[in-house]
Amino acid sequence: GQQVMQIPQYQHVQEGEDFTTYCNSSTTLSNIQWYKQRPGGHPVFLIQLVKSGEVKKQKRLTFQFGEAKKNSSLHITATQTTDVGTYFCAGLTTDSWGKFQFGAGTQVVVTP
Amino acid sequence: DTGVSQDPRHKITKRGQNVTFRCDPISEHNRLYWYRQTLGQGPEFLTYFQNEAQLEKSRLLSDRFSAERPKGSFSTLEIQRTEQGDSAMYLCASSLGTGTGEQYFGPGTRLTVT
Repeated sequence: GQQVMQIPQYQHVQEGEDFTTYCNSSTTLSNIQWYKQRPGGHPVFLIQLVKSGEVKKQKRLTFQFGEAKKNSSLHITATQTTDVGTYFCAGLTTDSWGKFQFGAGTQVVVTP
Repeated sequence: DTGVSQDPRHKITKRGQNVTFRCDPISEHNRLYWYRQTLGQGPEFLTYFQNEAQLEKSRLLSDRFSAERPKGSFSTLEIQRTEQGDSAMYLCASSLGTGTGEQYFGPGTRLTVT
């Protein structure tokens, strides 16, 4: 079945550094969403990507959807302690209208 | 508060008992999703509704799990004959319209099966 894989599973970052987390699907996606979950909290929507090769920015966060619509990335520049949490991607395959497949997430720890 | 609400927030039950959870989505949202999340994992899709119609569900809902959204507003998720492996956070999310847009998650119901 379709799977969404995220790497790395864990990311330890010094404050001020940049890092990237990757999301890969075994099948073509119609869209992909990114969420952030703080410890003890629930997922909060960050962005949705729909078009092949699409790039969207939110302040220090840059999201990209691959040309083949099978992978995506989230790049964070100048990491801050407020970036702590787990980042999930959620992909929707072309044969579904609502069955989002979440990756296992990248847990980000920021050291001051 | 106009966000997604879930009740109860915590439930402890003995193995073999039935449990029912409730989700109240944001009032104008047509879509409602149920997910299950265990420690260190992402939310696992269980089912979703478009208004009162259950449009898609995972294989988990073919046996002991069932969900309803009778009037297209709140939804319930029932687990029959609970097992220890059912222990998890059960998340509800809602979204606007008939598309596949932003999902707003509720705080979840944490189920512990002893």
